[in-house]
Amino acid sequence: GENVEQHPSTLSVQEGDSAVIKCTYSDSASNYFPWYKQELGKRPQLIIDIRSNVGEKKDQRIAVTLNKTAKHFSLHITETQPEDSAVYFCAASPANAGGTSYGKLTFGQGTILTVHP
Amino acid sequence: KAGVTQTPRYLIKTRGQQVTLSCSPISGHRSVSWYQQTPGQGLQFLFEYFSETQRNKGNFPGRFSGRQFSNSRSEMNVSTLELGDSALYLCASSLIERYGYTFGSGTRLTVV
Repeated sequence: GENVEQHPSTLSVQEGDSAVIKCTYSDSASNYFPWYKQELGKRPQLIIDIRSNVGEKKDQRIAVTLNKTAKHFSLHITETQPEDSAVYFCAASPANAGGTSYGKLTFGQGTILTVHP
Repeated sequence: KAGVTQTPRYLIKTRGQQVTLSCSPISGHRSVSWYQQTPGQGLQFLFEYFSETQRNKGNFPGRFSGRQFSNSRSEMNVSTLELGDSALYLCASSLIERYGYTFGSGTRLTVV
């Protein structure tokens, strides 16, 4: 089955700095890669996702890059703010030939991001 | 648009008992997935339902089961509860035509 490794497990930055979280996956059949943010005591929230036919996607201060050859994808947060402090999870999922997902997300272990004011 | 609703929010059960958790997906979403979240194991996939059919199952014992109704609402059941079943159980739903899954707030199960 799929295995997703996420690094680092903790990341501490100063407000305004950039933060990068990296994930690797094992199953070449995976072609959908979402990132979730989970604040303490709250539900995971989808912040950005990327599909295998795209190498990079950006949404304001957040960007995700994907290298299918290396089976590697990364989350980049620029100009970090204290409210970015949370646990971030990467995930990978296979899709069938029709391009729909079977809803089986394999998650990384999470990265605790702390942004100091 | 209402989000994914899970009930109850909190549960305390005794070892050996069984429990049923409920999930109402976002209106129109037909795919419902369940996950177990613990500090040690992180987020682990339990199963996924679409149109009342289980399409995928994770590596959990048979004590964990689920079902989906014709209105897409889903339930999961855990029988013969063990202390290690204490966790946050999360439900997520998605429109099948899209990839993004929206999570509910979860049910916090404590087994004593």
